Amino acid sequence: DGGITQSPKYLFRKEGQNVTLSCEQNLNHDAMYWYRQDPGQGLRLIYYSQIVNDFQKGDIAEGYSVSREKKESFPLTVTSAQKNPTAFYLCASSRQVSFGYTFGSGTRLTVV
Amino acid sequence: GESVGLHLPTLSVQEGDNSIINCAYSNSASDYFIWYKQESGKGPQFIIDIRSNMDKRQGQRVTVLLNKTVKHLSLQIAATQPGDSAVYFCAEIEGSGYALNFGKGTSLLVTP
Repeated sequence: DGGITQSPKYLFRKEGQNVTLSCEQNLNHDAMYWYRQDPGQGLRLIYYSQIVNDFQKGDIAEGYSVSREKKESFPLTVTSAQKNPTAFYLCASSRQVSFGYTFGSGTRLTVV
Repeated sequence: GESVGLHLPTLSVQEGDNSIINCAYSNSASDYFIWYKQESGKGPQFIIDIRSNMDKRQGQRVTVLLNKTVKHLSLQIAATQPGDSAVYFCAEIEGSGYALNFGKGTSLLVTP
């Protein structure tokens, strides 16, 4: 079955450490996105990529980095520069920008 | 950026009743709208979408209404069931946009 996979589901890291969240899709979608969700909040865009080898900052990119070396993969690195990294991170993909997204099941990152 | 907001943060309905979740948007250039359902600890699931050249679209037990004049979107759920309990998000994008813009969500609680 086609879908989008995020791993791990839960992640614990010490403050000051970088951590990379995985996102893989086998839907043959061109566009991929990373959103951050805080409790009781909506989704805020971190980074997006409309095509392989190209990505752009979203509304809250500071302290995060991404790569898009393969169409299927869009990993997100949460760096030590991110001041409040504890959150629920959601990856999504879409065939094109103005089409519905398919979301992964999310990664809950806790920094202690 | 432009904001997408919801009129009510929580909505409690009895099983079997119809539910109406509302969403106001401010970007008059928005031309694609989606409703998502998110259960606790999971990624959002696509429910239904509508483009700006339509004012109503129906799915299975769900209807989306779009009023471009007052920039208002609503999701109607017929015969609400306990499994409908979740947070519902509206999202919008304009033709020249690069990613969906999400509202903060409405929590729907279905009581027996």
